[in-house]
Amino acid sequence: NAGVMQNPRHLVRRRGQEARLRCSPMKGHSHVYWYRQLPEEGLKFMVYLQKENIIDESGMPKERFSAEFPKEGPSILRIQQVVRGDSAAYFCASLGTDSYEQYFGPGTRLTVT
Amino acid sequence: ELKVEQNPLFLSMQEGKNYTIYCNYSTTSDRLYWYRQDPGKSLESLFVLLSNGAVKQEGRLMASLDTKARLSTLHITAAVHDLSATYFCAVDISRGYGQNFVFGPGTRLSVLP
Repeated sequence: NAGVMQNPRHLVRRRGQEARLRCSPMKGHSHVYWYRQLPEEGLKFMVYLQKENIIDESGMPKERFSAEFPKEGPSILRIQQVVRGDSAAYFCASLGTDSYEQYFGPGTRLTVT
Repeated sequence: ELKVEQNPLFLSMQEGKNYTIYCNYSTTSDRLYWYRQDPGKSLESLFVLLSNGAVKQEGRLMASLDTKARLSTLHITAAVHDLSATYFCAVDISRGYGQNFVFGPGTRLSVLP
C-alpha cells in the first residue's frame, strides 16, 4: 500500500519562474492538506482540498499561490513568480474519510535562487 | 489568535535520563497529535490523543492529554541516541468537517552518549 507521494523531492527555481508541486494521496484518501515549513520552524497550514473542491484556503498567500485537486490525477500546488522567501519544504498530507490521522508525504524542498 | 507552544525548544540530554516535553495551546480542543521529524525527512506520526485524559505509550515514549489545562506532555524514559529528532505537537482546531492542524514550533532533542 503506497503511502503519500510527492514529486519532485527537490526543486530549484530562479526568481520569477513558476514552481509546480505534486501530491498523490494514499489510496482511498480523498482529503489533501498542504503545509509549508520554513527552516527551523514548525509546519504552517496552507490549504485543504477534496476532489475538485477547495475546502479551506485560509493559510494560502493571497497572491501567486494556487492549489487544485482534480477529479483525476494528483493535487497540485502552484507558485507563480517565485521569490527567495518561497524557499521552504512543502509537505502534503492525506486523510481518509473516517480517519483521524493525517499521513504525510516526503515533502518537496523548493530552493529559489 | 491561537497559540501552540512547546517547552523546551531545545533539549540536550544524556542517554538513560528521563525528561518531559510540554505542549500548551490556547483554545479548546480535544484532539492532539505528536509527530517526530528527522533532519531533512518527513513527519512520522507518534501518537493520536482524542480525549481528555488520554494516555498512550510506545516504547520509551509516553504521551498524555489534559484538555482542561490545554496541555499535552511527551515523556521520554531512559533516552537513547536513536530518539534524537525534532518533536512537534499539533492541535486540531476544526469545528466540523475535516481537520485544521496548528503545529507547535517543535522541540529539538539531542541525546548524547
